[in-house]
Amino acid sequence: NAGVTQTPKFQVLKTGQSMTLQCAQDMNHEYMSWYRQDPGMGLRLIHYSVGAGITDQGEVPNGYNVSRSTTEDFPLRLLSAAPSQTSVYFCASSYRTLDQGGFGANVLTFGAGSRLTVL
Amino acid sequence: QKEVEQDPGPLSVPEGAIVSLNCTYSNSAFQYFMWYRQYSRKGPELLMYTYSSGNKEDGRFTAQVDKSSKYISLFIRDSQPSDSATYLCAMSEGGGSNYKLTFGKGTLLTVNP
Repeated sequence: NAGVTQTPKFQVLKTGQSMTLQCAQDMNHEYMSWYRQDPGMGLRLIHYSVGAGITDQGEVPNGYNVSRSTTEDFPLRLLSAAPSQTSVYFCASSYRTLDQGGFGANVLTFGAGSRLTVL
Repeated sequence: QKEVEQDPGPLSVPEGAIVSLNCTYSNSAFQYFMWYRQYSRKGPELLMYTYSSGNKEDGRFTAQVDKSSKYISLFIRDSQPSDSATYLCAMSEGGGSNYKLTFGKGTLLTVNP
């Protein structure tokens, strides 16, 4: 059981280049999301998806694009890389616990991260 | 004011100490409270989650939620060097369509042998 797999682990881009960060999960989770993590800023939500064909913006969506054609895959595209996009990117998928009150906690399983440097 | 505030530390303790990690929040609609642990250069992993107020214990870890004070805590008993990591609190509102988590910035903990 691989969980959440992110590729590549490391990438260096030049300003203006485009690229796609890949994310795949094998847990049949409906919800997937992308975060970026920067020193002193914590984890910030970029985009998320509640199911195949459904995506929505998070806190910091500018400069990024996503699509969700299957339950398993949720790629993140950088349209025209900028130095401000230098960061560590984490993909996550999640399920609801349903073992406590309300609608259940949204428990995230994270990938190992992709370190991106934009020169 | 940020929705979730967490002291970034760093926090350094000797092995065997009791560690207290805390977060405060401003959104009274938060109902689910989670703690994630992140080792250096790894992705965060879930430690514990709780619903509404109260305590939850799992081995050496205890999570507490005080909704009246908008304050949550994670206690680590008999801390070990392997507990050295960044600890992130996370919270979400209730509701069947609300999946969004709001994270604290994380507290870096070092447990010295």
